Amino acid sequence: NAGVTQTPKFRVLKTGQSMTLLCAQDMNHEYMYWYRQDPGMGLRLIHYSVGEGTTAKGEVPDGYNVSRLKKQNFLLGLESAAPSQTSVYFCASRLAGGVHEQYFGPGTRLTVT
Amino acid sequence: DQQVKQNSPSLSVQEGRISILNCDYTNSMFDYFLWYKKYPAEGPTFLISISSIKDKNEDGRFTVFLNKSAKHLSLHIVPSQPGDSAVYFCAASARQGGSEKLVFGKGMKLTVNP
Repeated sequence: NAGVTQTPKFRVLKTGQSMTLLCAQDMNHEYMYWYRQDPGMGLRLIHYSVGEGTTAKGEVPDGYNVSRLKKQNFLLGLESAAPSQTSVYFCASRLAGGVHEQYFGPGTRLTVT
Repeated sequence: DQQVKQNSPSLSVQEGRISILNCDYTNSMFDYFLWYKKYPAEGPTFLISISSIKDKNEDGRFTVFLNKSAKHLSLHIVPSQPGDSAVYFCAASARQGGSEKLVFGKGMKLTVNP
């Protein structure tokens, strides 16, 4: 089992460019999440999905879009990148039901210049 | 409005001694609490959790205590080892809008000195 994987690991964008971050999990988890981590801010939820074809907004959704076309994949899109989106992005997944633990990917470090 | 607070940004302890990491929360609807450990350039990894109906959960060197009346939980690591040096996040779970989400604290950097 690879667990949760994220692509790419690093990326540098210019302001206004677009990109998609890919998250994949092979644990058959129903729920998937995208977080961003900034210095001194902890982890903040961007968007999440409770199943294939469903998405919902988290705490800081502005400037991002997501899609969950397949159960194992959760994509995070930046349509027009801004320097404020410079961050480390983490994807996580978990089983539905009474299980609370989320399993995290290794992260994507994004810099927007 | 920060619902989960880790008020101390860092802690340094000697190898073999106890490490105590604290976490406070404000939302009484939280029903489950988790601790995650994070090494540099890696994703957070789940460490230990506790349900709001319990006051203690132990797993090897790690014990989490929950004081609901004080809205306070703590993670005890005994004995501390250099490999425990990492950033520790406290997280709390509550159902909002029909689904469950985790709210994280800002993290605390633990350094265990040999």
